[in-house]
Formats: sequence, structure tokens, C-alpha cells
Amino acid sequence: AQSVTQLDSQVPVFEEAPVELRCNYSSSVSVYLFWYVQYPNQGLQLLLKYLSGSTLVKGINGFEAEFNKSQTSFHLRKPSVHISDTAEYFCAVSDPGNQGGKLIFGQGTELSVKP
Amino acid sequence: EAQVTQNPRYLITVTGKKLTVTCSQNMNHEYMSWYRQDPGLGLRQIYYSMNVEVTDKGDVPEGYKVSRKEKRNFPLILESPSPNQTSLYFCASSFSLGYGYTFGSGTRLTVV
Repeated sequence: AQSVTQLDSQVPVFEEAPVELRCNYSSSVSVYLFWYVQYPNQGLQLLLKYLSGSTLVKGINGFEAEFNKSQTSFHLRKPSVHISDTAEYFCAVSDPGNQGGKLIFGQGTELSVKP
Repeated sequence: EAQVTQNPRYLITVTGKKLTVTCSQNMNHEYMSWYRQDPGLGLRQIYYSMNVEVTDKGDVPEGYKVSRKEKRNFPLILESPSPNQTSLYFCASSFSLGYGYTFGSGTRLTVV
């Protein structure tokens, strides 16, 4: 069964610094990959996704992620974070052949941006 | 506005008292799904539906029921809630896997 590991449960960073949130998945077969953000007391919002093609994916709010098939990773990056980026971030994977539309989520990474 | 609407947002109930959490989407999506979110565990799928009258179990279906009589609605039913079902619940819908899911705002359920 597929699994997703987010390597850091908490990432503190200062405003305007770069950040990388790490995500590894278990499957070596073709997958769809997603990053979601959850602001306090809100639902999840899609940041970006990788389906195929270019391994560098750009999303909303200045975030980008790079798909690395050999390392089965999909790390999320932002060159300069803002206070408003403080939130929990979830990496998720789905199998294109899965009939259930199932997304498998990592445990989440809390990004805390300090002034 | 395209959205997934869950109700209620907050619910406190007692053990054994049947409850229903409603979910409705206005995007004509085929896929709908229920997840529960618990600290340190991320989100785990409870049930999913690929279309009207087509539902199946996810990873943690015990103690839950769902139905999909109409395309837009996908209620989550707890016939006899127990304290271990205290959690944050999300309904989500999608046109297809590649589009990713649109999530509702969540229902925070406490069972005492």
C-alpha cells in the first residue's frame, strides 16, 4: 500500500527566509502528487499538483514543488515566506488507476513563520 | 461560488445518539469522499463515492455509514457514536483524480 512521509512535523522559520517542506512517497509506479495547505479553523486548499510532464510545478502564493521520481520525493519550496504562510501543509498522493479517487495524506508539517 | 458545504461546523453529542453530518457540492462532481483528521495521523479516508448509488469503504469505515442518493449530497451517518469518533471531519469532492479534491470547511465532532 502506498504511504506518504512528511519528514518534518514542525518547521519554524523567520519571515523572508526560504523554506523547504519535505515529502517522500512509497510507490514507484505512476502517481499523482499534491500539496494542500490548511489555515487555522479552515478546510484544505490545493496549493499545487503534479500529474505528468515538467518536474517543477508552480502553485499559488509563490510556492513550487519538484517531483523527483528516482528519490520518490515531492518537496515544497518557497524562496521567501510571509507571516501569512503560517499554516499546516499536507502532501498527498493518489494512484491514477485507483477507482476510488483515494488521496493518501502525510501526517502534515506545521510551518511557523516568525517576524 | 463553487464549494463543498458541510453542516454543522461544530457538534457535541453523547455516546450512542445517532447523528448525521451533511455534505453538499454544487460543482457536479462525480467523486465525493469523507476524511477524518486526527493530530499526528493526518487525514484518513472513511468512505468514498464514485457516483450516485456507488459507495465503498476507505481506510477507517468502522462505525460510519454513507449514502449517495443524489449526485450533490453525500451525508455521513454515525449510528451509535463513541468517544473514539471525536475528530475533525472533512467532506471533499472532485471531478476526477487529476483535479485534486475540493474540501469543505470541516465539522468538529465531540462525543462525550
